[in-house]
Amino acid sequence: GQNIDQPTEMTATEGAIVQINCTYQTSGFNGLFWYQQHAGEAPTFLSYNVLDGLEEKGRFSSFLSRSKGYSYLLLKELQMKDSASYLCAVRDRKDSSYKLIFGSGTRLLVRP
Amino acid sequence: GAVVSQHPSWVICKSGTSVKIECRSLDFQATTMFWYRQFPKQSLMLMATSNEGSKATYEQGVEKDKFLINHASLTLSTLTVTSAHPEDSSFYICSARDRLYEQYFGPGTRLTVT
Repeated sequence: GQNIDQPTEMTATEGAIVQINCTYQTSGFNGLFWYQQHAGEAPTFLSYNVLDGLEEKGRFSSFLSRSKGYSYLLLKELQMKDSASYLCAVRDRKDSSYKLIFGSGTRLLVRP
Repeated sequence: GAVVSQHPSWVICKSGTSVKIECRSLDFQATTMFWYRQFPKQSLMLMATSNEGSKATYEQGVEKDKFLINHASLTLSTLTVTSAHPEDSSFYICSARDRLYEQYFGPGTRLTVT
């Protein structure tokens, strides 16, 4: 089966940097995704890692270590609009389904 | 970019009735679509994988006779919540996967059962 863990809530200050961690266990790993979700809306794609290392995209970066089953999302120069839930998701190729399994999500509150 | 639509965006129904939610891929063909459910302050829970022209594959604990899925074409999958009850009230989100295995999410449907 799959197991994906994230912190439930985090608080950070506008302009600062925050790191959201995600650990996972899965038998058919085929990539790790990060999504942002505002309340009442569908998730929005942020990043994708399939190989070890850091992927940078503007203010957002994501890191993956497959051997450790670990990823993090790094948000720089935080803005108030970054207050949202951040979802870590693992793509599982078991049964050739390639389905996305989501972690419980991390609610980030950015304060002035 | 690829667009996935859902209809309706919100629906209120009475307990005991059935509700159908449509998920459409507007500019690409999707052999596989996924249905998720999300309760307040919780994450997305995968309900089932819908494959065009075949039966859906349900996740453990999801009642297939209650949540009927039909993937009749490469651009349309429907989820019917049968005999809905207040505990079925939730945010239902679909996603469609293209031939490159990229997955695109619909805007979601908020179901309220009174």
